[in-house]
Amino acid sequence: AQSVAQPEDQVNVAEGNPLTVKCTYSVSGNPYLFWYVQYPNRGLQFLLKYITGDNLVKGSYGFEAEFNKSQTSFHLKKPSALVSDSALYFCAVRPPNTDKLIFGTGTRLQVFP
Amino acid sequence: IAGITQAPTSQILAAGRRMTLRCTQDMRHNAMYWYRQDLGLGLRLIHYSNTAGTTGKGEVPDGYSVSRANTDDFPLTLASAVPSQTSVYFCASRARGDSNQPQHFGDGTRLSIL
Repeated sequence: AQSVAQPEDQVNVAEGNPLTVKCTYSVSGNPYLFWYVQYPNRGLQFLLKYITGDNLVKGSYGFEAEFNKSQTSFHLKKPSALVSDSALYFCAVRPPNTDKLIFGTGTRLQVFP
Repeated sequence: IAGITQAPTSQILAAGRRMTLRCTQDMRHNAMYWYRQDLGLGLRLIHYSNTAGTTGKGEVPDGYSVSRANTDDFPLTLASAVPSQTSVYFCASRARGDSNQPQHFGDGTRLSIL
């Protein structure tokens, strides 16, 4: 079965430190990969995507993600966390030949001052 | 500002009642989606529509129905609400024809079934 795993329910990091939010997937073929962020009482906002090409993709708000095909991972990263980055982050995968997204269960990022 | 509008923003509903959640987009996107978000489960697809006049079932369609009479509107109906349908419901849309494009989401409807 196709799936997306976000192994950490919560990630805590001090402001100014680098952050990583992990995502692995189990999908046949070459999927499209996405990261979304959700702030309280809001819908999901698109952060970045990997379609093809360079394994390191840059997105909004200084976030980037590294695609690793051999490890089937797409970890979200930021060199220096801000308190305002505190939110719920979702990894999503679009398998080949489908319009549907498969979402992970989400990781809550808490950045402490 | 272009985007997706969902209504109502929240609702408390008695079990057994019928309820329609509204979703309107002004981006002329062909594809639209309904998800429910539950703690620990992420987002699960209920129904989708690739274009006006067509709909399809997602991962958790039971107890829900949709219609797509035109490009802009994609209402979700609970014919007879049950407590397990308590959730936050999100509508999303995407421009088809370019599979690189991400989905855009509304701000959700928080539904409580008592």
